[in-house]
Amino acid sequence: EVQLVESGGGLVQPGGSLRLSCAASGFTFSSYNMHWVRQAPGKGLQWVSYISSSSRTIYYSDSVKGRFTISRDNAKNSLYLQMNSLRAEDTAVYYCADGGYWGQGTLVTVSS
Amino acid sequence: DIVMTQTPLSSPVTLGQPASISCRSSQSLVHSDGNTYLSWLQQRPGQPPRLLIYKISNRFSGVPDRFSGSGAGTDFTLKISRVEAEDVGVYYCMQATQFLSFGLGTKVEIK
Repeated sequence: EVQLVESGGGLVQPGGSLRLSCAASGFTFSSYNMHWVRQAPGKGLQWVSYISSSSRTIYYSDSVKGRFTISRDNAKNSLYLQMNSLRAEDTAVYYCADGGYWGQGTLVTVSS
Repeated sequence: DIVMTQTPLSSPVTLGQPASISCRSSQSLVHSDGNTYLSWLQQRPGQPPRLLIYKISNRFSGVPDRFSGSGAGTDFTLKISRVEAEDVGVYYCMQATQFLSFGLGTKVEIK
């Protein structure tokens, strides 16, 4: 069974940092491109970042470019999102996904 | 960036009746590899998104056959042949031809 399990969310002050993790199982993680997608409370889905299977290609949405860093460790079947300089508007549930399978999400709240 | 426009934003439906959602992209979703990466997602209340349809018309594993997708180029449609109570939720079209982008969502509710 394919599983994507996010962790690392929580309450952080504006300007702070968090590192999200996504543990993958049930499929050959190293063969799949991955995304981070977020959903602000009561809002729709917003793509955040993409990383290719080999980590050679990485993209970010304009709203997080320069503040967030996506990475992966194929040996550990894990995807990461380092989030720095967090803002109130980054408050959302963050999902890892390969486009087909989605995790349950982890909530990030940026507030003083 | 590819902008996805969904209509309607809300769809009250009688149980057992059909429902239809339209999605239009701001540019063609045909990828250089010849595929069209248009998907439909369902998000039930309090749940993460779930893939229903991929590459326009292919049902994902476990998806009931009352869900069907059609379209080409920039215009796509999701149809539910007979709405059931468990279909209540928000439906999103999603393109994966260039990064990912999503429609604003269509809320399907029972009349």
